[in-house]
Amino acid sequence: NAGVTQTPKFQVLKTGQSMTLQCAQDMNHNSMYWYRQDPGMGLRLIYYSASEGTTDKGEVPNGYNVSRLNKREFSLRLESAAPSQTSVYFCASSEAWPGAIYEQYFGPGTRLTVT
Amino acid sequence: LAKTTQPISMDSYEGQEVNITCSHNNIATNDYITWYQQFPSQGPRFIIQGYKTKVTNEVASLFIPADRKSSTLSLPRVSLSDTAVYYCLVGPSNAGGTSYGKLTFGQGTILTVHP
Repeated sequence: NAGVTQTPKFQVLKTGQSMTLQCAQDMNHNSMYWYRQDPGMGLRLIYYSASEGTTDKGEVPNGYNVSRLNKREFSLRLESAAPSQTSVYFCASSEAWPGAIYEQYFGPGTRLTVT
Repeated sequence: LAKTTQPISMDSYEGQEVNITCSHNNIATNDYITWYQQFPSQGPRFIIQGYKTKVTNEVASLFIPADRKSSTLSLPRVSLSDTAVYYCLVGPSNAGGTSYGKLTFGQGTILTVHP
C-alpha cells in the first residue's frame, strides 16, 4: 500500500515553461487536494477535488489548473511557470464524509524551482 | 474558517510531557479541531481530531474545554523524534459550505526536543 505518490520529486523550470505534477493514491479516497508550501510557511490550498469529476478552487489557484483524471489520480498543471511558483507542492487525499475529510494523507512532495 | 493562534516555538526535553495550546475564539458550532505533525522535507501527518471533551489515541491526547475556544495537544514522554512542526486546524463538518474540506494551515508550532 503506497499511500499517496507524487512525481517528479524535483523539477527545475525556466520562466514560461509548462509542466504537470502527477499525484496518485491507492486508498480509494474520494477527495484529493493540492497544496503549496513556501519556506517557513504553512501549507496553502491550491485546488481540491471533493469527488471524481469535480474540482474547486482553494486559497491560491491563480496560475494553476487541475485535472481529476479518475478516482486515483489528480494532476496539477503550471501553464507558464513564474519564479513566484517556486515552492514545495504536496498532494493529499481523504475520505469525503464529515470529520474524515480533515484526516488527509499527504504525499512526499515535489520541490519545484522556477528560474 | 476559524482563525487559530499557536505559539511559534516550544522547547522540551526527552521524557517530558508537552502541551501545545491553540486558540480558536471564533470556532463555529459545526467545526472540528484537527492537529497535524510535519517533519522537515515531508508532508504533514494527521495526529488527532476532536469535537469536544477529550480524545486519545496511541500518539497523543486532545483536550477541548466546554466552550471550545481553545484546544490542547498533549504529547506524553516526548523523544528526539518528536521534533517537528505541529499545526492546529479548524474546519466545518457540514458539506455544502464554501469552506468545507478546505484546511487552512497557519505557521504552526516548532517543537524542539532536547536530549
